[in-house]
Amino acid sequence: EAGVAQSPRYKIIEKRQSVAFWCNPISGHATLYWYQQILGQGPKLLIQFQNNGVVDDSQLPKDRFSAERLKGVDSTLKIQPAKLEDSAVYLCASSLRTGAYEQYFGPGTRLTVT
Amino acid sequence: GESVGLHLPTLSVQEGDNSIINCAYSNSASDYFIWYKQESGKGPQFIIDIRSNMDKRQGQRVTVLLNKTVKHLSLQIAATQPGDSAVYFCAENGSSGTYKYIFGTGTRLKVLA
Repeated sequence: EAGVAQSPRYKIIEKRQSVAFWCNPISGHATLYWYQQILGQGPKLLIQFQNNGVVDDSQLPKDRFSAERLKGVDSTLKIQPAKLEDSAVYLCASSLRTGAYEQYFGPGTRLTVT
Repeated sequence: GESVGLHLPTLSVQEGDNSIINCAYSNSASDYFIWYKQESGKGPQFIIDIRSNMDKRQGQRVTVLLNKTVKHLSLQIAATQPGDSAVYFCAENGSSGTYKYIFGTGTRLKVLA
């Protein structure tokens, strides 16, 4: 079974630029999560989708971050404009459905904002 | 890959010994808990979970203990191996019936040969 795919793996941008990350979850997984992991900390949930609907986006900085999962499969997370404090690893995870189901994480995208 | 947890608490254990990693969770309403392992350059990997109606759960070489009175979780790894070297996170679901996972700060486990 293929795992969660993310791209790119690394990205370096200047502050005020825009960036987008892509995630392809495990086939058949209805729930998709985006996390932000700042160096030295645990992952922080940004947004959670169930199919193509948003379940929770309470910790997403909506003035600059946006995410979509239009067809209920792939998802993109965008930052526009980026700030220095957005430097982090952005992790995508998927699970069979929302609930006490194992989350499978992708390798993450490391973003450096200079 | 990048380093995870450069300034995290570190537990150093001799190969073959048992490891105990502790976690204090934040929300007394949480009723589902998970331990994750994260190796450098990779995403977290599920190890074991436990529901609040249990005090203990065992897996292969791992045991999770839950003390709801003091909001404490521990992960015990038997016969620690070099491949166990990683950062370990506990996560809680935040409130009963929801699954908005809240991760702890993590502990780095170093296995000494």
